[in-house]
Amino acid sequence: DQQVKQNSPSLSVQEGRISILNCDYTNSMFDYFLWYKKYPAEGPTFLISISSIKDKNEDGRFTVFLNKSAKHLSLHIVPSQPGDSAVYFCAASAKNAGNMLTFGGGTRLMVKP
Amino acid sequence: DVKVTQSSRYLVKRTGEKVFLECVQDMDHENMFWYRQDPGLGLRLIYFSYDVKMKEKGDIPEGYSVSREKKERFSLILESASTNQTSMYLCASSLSQGRGNQPQHFGDGTRLSIL
Repeated sequence: DQQVKQNSPSLSVQEGRISILNCDYTNSMFDYFLWYKKYPAEGPTFLISISSIKDKNEDGRFTVFLNKSAKHLSLHIVPSQPGDSAVYFCAASAKNAGNMLTFGGGTRLMVKP
Repeated sequence: DVKVTQSSRYLVKRTGEKVFLECVQDMDHENMFWYRQDPGLGLRLIYFSYDVKMKEKGDIPEGYSVSREKKERFSLILESASTNQTSMYLCASSLSQGRGNQPQHFGDGTRLSIL
């Protein structure tokens, strides 16, 4: 059973608009959440993270929101740029799990010029 | 910047061969990980290691083994390659959790094809 789910396999957005990528989790022990971006033929690149003691973390155009009661997190990209086109993975880690990450299946974002 | 280097970008092997995938990191990270990535399944953990000569099974260890003789190097071994092991293999490293929450840093991957 997948503990981290990204229910949208793909998302298409116009350049300059907001991209919202969603992620749901089931394990209440998860306390650290991350987003990675992956271009074809490259490894995932760490983008942004959030600890469960926060509900929002912002880094430039990227903001991650965490709703613990709903077990839901989202990544907002504003404004979206064509270079943001990639596959985005959310991941989660549980306390005392030694930095082991559980990944979602990924969402392919396409930003159209 | 963290550098995680995987020895091969593309590899083609035959069924039944023993296959070695090598990974080296240059940031003195305690933790190292091997994943495989398949479409729609995200990244699935095969094995990980918290220290030299230490290894733990991940979610899908069957058909694989690992070796960590030095802190900077973590090898993945396919004992007898099969076609269902055709995949993208990704190595990652991170500082220990004792230093707080830490992201994993990934190499560029090895696309392995088993014929």
